[in-house]
Amino acid sequence: AAGVIQSPRHLIKEKRETATLKCYPIPRHDTVYWYQQGPGQDPQFLISFYEKMQSDKGSIPDRFSAQQFSDYHSELNMSSLELGDSALYFCASSSGGRLSYNEQFFGPGTRLTVL
Amino acid sequence: KQEVTQIPAALSVPEGENLVLNCSFTDSAIYNLQWFRQDPGKGLTSLLLIQSSQREQTSGRLNASLDKSSGRSTLYIAASQPGDSATYLCALRDDKIIFGKGTRLHILP
Repeated sequence: AAGVIQSPRHLIKEKRETATLKCYPIPRHDTVYWYQQGPGQDPQFLISFYEKMQSDKGSIPDRFSAQQFSDYHSELNMSSLELGDSALYFCASSSGGRLSYNEQFFGPGTRLTVL
Repeated sequence: KQEVTQIPAALSVPEGENLVLNCSFTDSAIYNLQWFRQDPGKGLTSLLLIQSSQREQTSGRLNASLDKSSGRSTLYIAASQPGDSATYLCALRDDKIIFGKGTRLHILP
């Protein structure tokens, strides 16, 4: 069965650079979620999108932005990168709409290292 | 403010034993609770999802229960195997999605 796809899998950036992470949800899933997991930490919810509109917002820094496109893939844009942004970034998808609380399926993550 | 706690933080048990992992939360007004496993440096694999109206879910050797009134969920693993070694996280959904810090499970061969 198709799973959530994230690219790139690994990314190395310098401080103050920008990065773009991509997420391709499971086909027919309409909701995408982004999470950040620091070393030894639990995942922290950043933001979610349903039908190309932001549906919920968590602890996403102002330096980050995200959007969902017409084909339901999503991109997380990160600017003015800081050392503390080094983390594993997960995307998850689910079906059933904004008010549905269906099972989330996670991608393999993008490991971002900021030097 | 919702808080999710997983105890113990780490657990080592011999192969073949049955075990229980605990997840507690402070606000019972949740929509659902989901258990995941995570291997080191890897993504999260969904194990079981329990909706707020449900009491338990089963999948193979795994059984998850939910008691909203007491703010607790348990993940029961029967006949543990070395391949079960991983970090197990519970995540609950109210207005947001909140993860516990996980239990690192090590099954001793």
